[in-house]
Amino acid sequence: QKEVEQDPGPLSVPEGAIVSLNCTYSNSAFQYFMWYRQYSRKGPELLMYTYSSGNKEDGRFTAQVDKSSKYISLFIRDSQPSDSATYLCATSGGSNYKLTFGKGTLLTVNP
Amino acid sequence: KAGVTQTPRYLIKTRGQQVTLSCSPISGHRSVSWYQQTPGQGLQFLFEYFSETQRNKGNFPGRFSGRQFSNSRSEMNVSTLELGDSALYLCASSLRVQTSTDTQYFGPGTRLTVL
Repeated sequence: QKEVEQDPGPLSVPEGAIVSLNCTYSNSAFQYFMWYRQYSRKGPELLMYTYSSGNKEDGRFTAQVDKSSKYISLFIRDSQPSDSATYLCATSGGSNYKLTFGKGTLLTVNP
Repeated sequence: KAGVTQTPRYLIKTRGQQVTLSCSPISGHRSVSWYQQTPGQGLQFLFEYFSETQRNKGNFPGRFSGRQFSNSRSEMNVSTLELGDSALYLCASSLRVQTSTDTQYFGPGTRLTVL
């Protein structure tokens, strides 16, 4: 079983839609949860960062972590064509500095 | 502030050769991590260097190695290249003030193709 599972999609939505992206993880030691966005031919850029369980909101983006079910979510409201990218969930925990990534979900927002 | 830079951006090598990739972190960042990204396996952690010492290592064979210099710049080396080493190699830098909580900033990557 992979440590972090993410549906690769692809996911195609119309402009203005609410997008829900999800990951599950298996290691209870994970405490830090991140969402990265990667445009084609670019490196990943950090979108959201959450410690332990709870919600975090930043503009149109909301990250949720449910440690009891080991479930991570990213919601994008009023999606825009510029949101079209691959979204990667990532986790880390304990004393090591290694990020464990999901495989990424390719999102296309159609005008 | 300049971002993470990686050189070269693209590289074509043949099986059996070796390759060296370079990463310059954001000014002031002392930790550099390397990741391999492939369509099949996604992003996988290779290793992390901090203060010129390897602090963490992923599950890759010994053909993959790295080092960090006193100015925090890092290089990774892959010897005896195999076709399966074709990938995007990403470098990420962070301050590493607190373990696991510092944001990692990624460079654009080096696209390695092994023929």
